[in-house]
Amino acid sequence: NAGVMQNPRHLVRRRGQEARLRCSPMKGHSHVYWYRQLPEEGLKFMVYLQKENIIDESGMPKERFSAEFPKEGPSILRIQQVVRGDSAAYFCASSPTTSYNEQFFGPGTRLTVL
Amino acid sequence: GEDVEQSLFLSVREGDSSVINCTYTDSSSTYLYWYKQEPGAGLQLLTYIFSNMDMKQDQRLTVLLNKKDKHLSLRIADTQTGDSAIYFCAERLTGGGNKLTFGTGTQLKVEL
Repeated sequence: NAGVMQNPRHLVRRRGQEARLRCSPMKGHSHVYWYRQLPEEGLKFMVYLQKENIIDESGMPKERFSAEFPKEGPSILRIQQVVRGDSAAYFCASSPTTSYNEQFFGPGTRLTVL
Repeated sequence: GEDVEQSLFLSVREGDSSVINCTYTDSSSTYLYWYKQEPGAGLQLLTYIFSNMDMKQDQRLTVLLNKKDKHLSLRIADTQTGDSAIYFCAERLTGGGNKLTFGTGTQLKVEL
């Protein structure tokens, strides 16, 4: 059973470009979470999604950030008009439909904004 | 409010026990977690404890929870060089949805 998959692992963007980060949850998992880790800090919750629904986006910046988890395909975290402060590691986690107790994390996407 | 704190750094000798501590402020925590992060990698779930438990043991890992003091610890017995990593504690709150609130992480260095 493959773990949570994220791609790309590393992404470099110039200021003003768009960044698209993809996450494929573990098989049988229908809950997806995105977290951001700034350098030397812990992870901060961004958004929690189920298929075709955003359940909790209380950690998402109000502008430029959006997330989706379509019926088919991976979850996407989209950052428009990136700025240097967006440079961070973005982690996706998933949990099973029947149990919220465990969140399994992917390897992360490290975004660098030049 | 939500606030989870950890000491930043711990150094131990190989073979000794390591104890990593965590304090939290919100008494409505339901589950408390320990994750391990190796350099350049994602987070690996090590163990978790439900808030009505005092202790949980899993092989070399022992989790102790003191609800009165809002203190959580992770003890690693017979620490090995492969245990060198950053350890994060996290809490999930009652009524807080499924999101986890993480501490800042403790970097464990195991010396020969």
